[in-house]
Amino acid sequence: DAEITQSPRHKITETGRQVTLACHQTWNHNNMFWYRQDLGHGLRLIHYSYGVQDTNKGEVSDGYSVSRSNTEDLPLTLESAASSQTSVYFCASSESRVTGELFFGEGSRLTVL
Amino acid sequence: AQKVTQAQTEISVVEKEDVTLDCVYETRDTTYYLFWYKQPPSGELVFLIRRNSFDEQNEISGRYSWNFQKSTSSFNFTITASQVVDSAVYFCALSEARRGGSNYKLTFGKGTLLTVNP
Repeated sequence: DAEITQSPRHKITETGRQVTLACHQTWNHNNMFWYRQDLGHGLRLIHYSYGVQDTNKGEVSDGYSVSRSNTEDLPLTLESAASSQTSVYFCASSESRVTGELFFGEGSRLTVL
Repeated sequence: AQKVTQAQTEISVVEKEDVTLDCVYETRDTTYYLFWYKQPPSGELVFLIRRNSFDEQNEISGRYSWNFQKSTSSFNFTITASQVVDSAVYFCALSEARRGGSNYKLTFGKGTLLTVNP
């Protein structure tokens, strides 16, 4: 079955370190997204991509970057991790060009000490 | 800018009670889609329903029903005869479908934590 997988599922890191969260989908979806989930804020969009070599900033993009070199992967990089980036991160993908229905990964819990 | 408001942060009910989760949205577009997602304690996000802005018919799926009212910009979700397994965080979301299909990202509400007690 097609799926979307995130790794690592749990990570603890220190302030200032670079961290990369991987996202891989096997649906061949053009659209991929990264959200962060925090108590009291729901899900907020970090970055998204509508295809290879396309990346766009979401509402909370500061301190994060993504790259899209192929259809299957959208890694999220924290250039210099900060405690404020402690969160649960969800990757999602969608195929529909109209409706936007998202399929989510299982989430990656990141703790920045 | 689009916005989704879920005013109820937490709701607690006893099993078999009916419960309605409210969702109010803001958008300048005439074409858009509304969604509900469920996040059980295990953490994954599960798609429940999608509704487009041209279809105001209410929808029922088993114990779940959705009431879409464009006049009040609301898309409320009712669970009938709630069960303990319905305990979860529920998110309402909005996507804008512009001509040419260039905008597919979803904006989520902050979620409502539903606890169903036995």
